[in-house]
Amino acid sequence: GAVVSQHPSRVICKSGTSVKIECRSLDFQATTMFWYRQFPKQSLMLMATSNEGSKATYEQGVEKDKFLINHASLTLSTLTVTSAHPEDSSFYICSARGTSGVYEQYFGPGTRLTVT
Amino acid sequence: KQEVTQIPAALSVPEGENLVLNCSFTDSAIYNLQWFRQDPGKGLTSLLLIQSSQREQTSGRLNASLDKSSGRSTLYIAASQPGDSATYLCAVSKETSGSRLTFGEGTQLTVNP
Repeated sequence: GAVVSQHPSRVICKSGTSVKIECRSLDFQATTMFWYRQFPKQSLMLMATSNEGSKATYEQGVEKDKFLINHASLTLSTLTVTSAHPEDSSFYICSARGTSGVYEQYFGPGTRLTVT
Repeated sequence: KQEVTQIPAALSVPEGENLVLNCSFTDSAIYNLQWFRQDPGKGLTSLLLIQSSQREQTSGRLNASLDKSSGRSTLYIAASQPGDSATYLCAVSKETSGSRLTFGEGTQLTVNP
């Protein structure tokens, strides 16, 4: 149980285009999902908290107009990188918060974005 | 602002050795602490979660302890195997809702056959 999937696993796009990444909780409902990015040899940095049916909460320094988050259902959140640039190339990981009282987070397998 | 530090940054041991990974955090007002494993180019696998009211959790060859007052946690791996080679991350959450995690930089473990 508690499986989170991400699609695509890898994507290469040209500078200036937009890319959408999907995060799905497969066997549980997640009212809260999180989006992280990870640069090589570094740890995960929280970008935003996604709540079903409401606007995402972005961390300081994260451009909300560039990283559009939509959490339209209890099992799906999407991250759209708009007008991507090479510096947006990174590993993007989502997580979904479990529904038990301990608030354990379950992570997706990540999406490798390369902007050329 | 919560800061999480993991020591050592990298560790190389021979197969069969018992080892300890360390995690410290600056704000002791945490809700829970999680240990994760990350293989290269992959997502995170949750290993153990310790609630703030607990002192330790065990799963197989893994044992995690928590000393909230001193801001420390350790992950003990018994009888290490080459398959344990990975980066180990600890993360703490503060709020009782939302559970935003603050991660350490990780310890890269290599177990040599």
